[in-house]
Amino acid sequence: NAGVTQTPKFQVLKTGQSMTLQCAQDMNHNSMYWYRQDPGMGLRLIYYSASEGTTDKGEVPNGYNVSRLNKREFSLRLESAAPSQTSVYFCASSQRSRIEAFFGQGTRLTVV
Amino acid sequence: AQKITQTQPGMFVQEKEAVTLDCTYDTSDPSYGLFWYKQPSSGEMIFLIYQGSYDQQNATEGRYSLNFQKARKSANLVISASQLGDSAMYFCAMSLINTGNQFYFGTGTSLTVIP
Repeated sequence: NAGVTQTPKFQVLKTGQSMTLQCAQDMNHNSMYWYRQDPGMGLRLIYYSASEGTTDKGEVPNGYNVSRLNKREFSLRLESAAPSQTSVYFCASSQRSRIEAFFGQGTRLTVV
Repeated sequence: AQKITQTQPGMFVQEKEAVTLDCTYDTSDPSYGLFWYKQPSSGEMIFLIYQGSYDQQNATEGRYSLNFQKARKSANLVISASQLGDSAMYFCAMSLINTGNQFYFGTGTSLTVIP
């Protein structure tokens, strides 16, 4: 039972570098999400995709882009990383809002 | 704007005692879901319990129960007979059917169970 798989688990970037966080789910869920978690801030929604082919901004979208490649995959791209993007990133998926969201293991990103 | 508030940054409870973690929410949407997640020090997000806005009875899952007071817009988590393994961060979350299944999270409560 893979559930939601995120890669990589850890990453260190230099300021200005770019990278893509990958996320895939095998539960046939329609909705997928990217969150960032910072101390004292809880989880904040960056982008979400309610269904294949659609993406929408969440609370903190600046500095990020996303791609819903297909129903399974939802990637998050940092075009020019900044130290303020140092965080733990979680991908999640759900079938509908009355059912819980399933989370990946998280990616710990440090931008130096 | 949708909002989840958890006012207890940290809580302590004696082993085998019950503890209540507070959560209030704010939405004008009549149809929503309320969730609690546990995040142990290892970092994964573990789903605990769900309550729908139209559910008449409070949700229960083993030692977890959700005290749902709709008029007061509160969804407190009650953990009975606390165990050392309950020490973790706990997040309250809300999902909205009419806004593309967005989930909103509170800032969390750190629970420490004392032996």
